[in-house]
Amino acid sequence: NAGVTQTPKFQVLKTGQSMTLQCAQDMNHNSMYWYRQDPGMGLRLIYYSASEGTTDKGEVPNGYNVSRLNKREFSLRLESAAPSQTSVYFCASRTGGSDQPQHFGDGTRLSIL
Amino acid sequence: AQSVTQLGSHVSVSEGALVLLRCNYSSSVPPYLFWYVQYPNQGLQLLLKYTTGATLVKGINGFEAEFKKSETSFHLTKPSAHMSDAAEYFCAVSDITQGGSEKLVFGKGTKLTVNP
Repeated sequence: NAGVTQTPKFQVLKTGQSMTLQCAQDMNHNSMYWYRQDPGMGLRLIYYSASEGTTDKGEVPNGYNVSRLNKREFSLRLESAAPSQTSVYFCASRTGGSDQPQHFGDGTRLSIL
Repeated sequence: AQSVTQLGSHVSVSEGALVLLRCNYSSSVPPYLFWYVQYPNQGLQLLLKYTTGATLVKGINGFEAEFKKSETSFHLTKPSAHMSDAAEYFCAVSDITQGGSEKLVFGKGTKLTVNP
């Protein structure tokens, strides 16, 4: 009964390094999302995937790329990390329409020095 | 585009007291509304949701929320706070992206402290 699994849980990077955050869900959900959470800012949508094979930009996409590898997996890549990308990153998934809730992973805590 | 306003970034109550966390949304069309809770170092968990029908919605852990269209509000309440309710609470509203897909817009969160 894993739900949404994110790896790694913690990571420290140096400015300019690249990294991929992994997300997998075992609920057969069509839609998947990446958010960042910063103190006092709530959750802001980075990218989303409405279905396998499609991705689109959210509110704060600059500096990020995504891949919807298959129905289960949705990865987030930082090509050249910047200190402003220090944040907690959450992956979520959902089935059905907008009346259905999103299910969240436990997050990846990323620090960029 | 939708927006969500949560009044009060921090709320402090005594154990056993009423909990009231405020949420207002911007839509003129009744949206789908959600409350999530986040415990330290964890992801968000669904507390309750409003889609259609009864405007008083009951959720987990004794929480409930009332949808008031005339006030564009969806405030979260619990009659008697417990120490275990200490967490951050997020109100969210459904919205449509520029690409025509569905997404959630979150408020900035309210951190609830429960004092013994």
